[in-house]
Amino acid sequence: GAVVSQHPSRVICKSGTSVKIECRSLDFQATTMFWYRQFPKQSLMLMATSNEGSKATYEQGVEKDKFLINHASLTLSTLTVTSAHPEDSSFYICSARPATDYRAYEQYFGPGTRLTVT
Amino acid sequence: DAKTTQPPSMDCAEGRAANLPCNHSTISGNEYVYWYRQIHSQGPQYIIHGLKNNETNEMASLIITEDRKSSTLILPHATLRDTAVYYCIVRFGSGNTGKLIFGQGTTLQVKP
Repeated sequence: GAVVSQHPSRVICKSGTSVKIECRSLDFQATTMFWYRQFPKQSLMLMATSNEGSKATYEQGVEKDKFLINHASLTLSTLTVTSAHPEDSSFYICSARPATDYRAYEQYFGPGTRLTVT
Repeated sequence: DAKTTQPPSMDCAEGRAANLPCNHSTISGNEYVYWYRQIHSQGPQYIIHGLKNNETNEMASLIITEDRKSSTLILPHATLRDTAVYYCIVRFGSGNTGKLIFGQGTTLQVKP
């Protein structure tokens, strides 16, 4: 199966600082990547969809100026949480969909990044 | 995307088949049914997907009713490592469109 990695796996930052999370598709090219957030004991919530080379599409209620997404290449997407606050503490999970049409039904998830804002 | 309904929790004895139901009564003709699972503090793992035919792979079988309004995921011989939250998701199309919107899922507890 395809592998999606995330870095870092855990990060602790102080309130007001910015944090960047990387998502990479290791053995396939991904035209589309997704970012999810998951609070304890809750389901995954889709935050945004990003396509390589274009602006991300954010779900309703997600602040695009706070959660900056850059999908600069077919194997890398980054999520930057700007001016983080304790309520941004969560488990952030990325997902990637292969670029080739015959694999487009597939979608693979990264292991997640645990963000704690103090 | 169509909404799905799953029981919040189920138990299964180790070695027995686990049958996880999902209701998607508003599914439309070109929407696929996907199953993922999430083991605690990990990213979701793809299990299987289907449109209208039953599907089987090395992990599980997917049975979709003829009217496509419900489906069942079958883990033929559950092990303790199958304890996880199982998500049934309906996604529009198989091309490079559509999104996976997660519901609450079913927490499957496999017991020895």
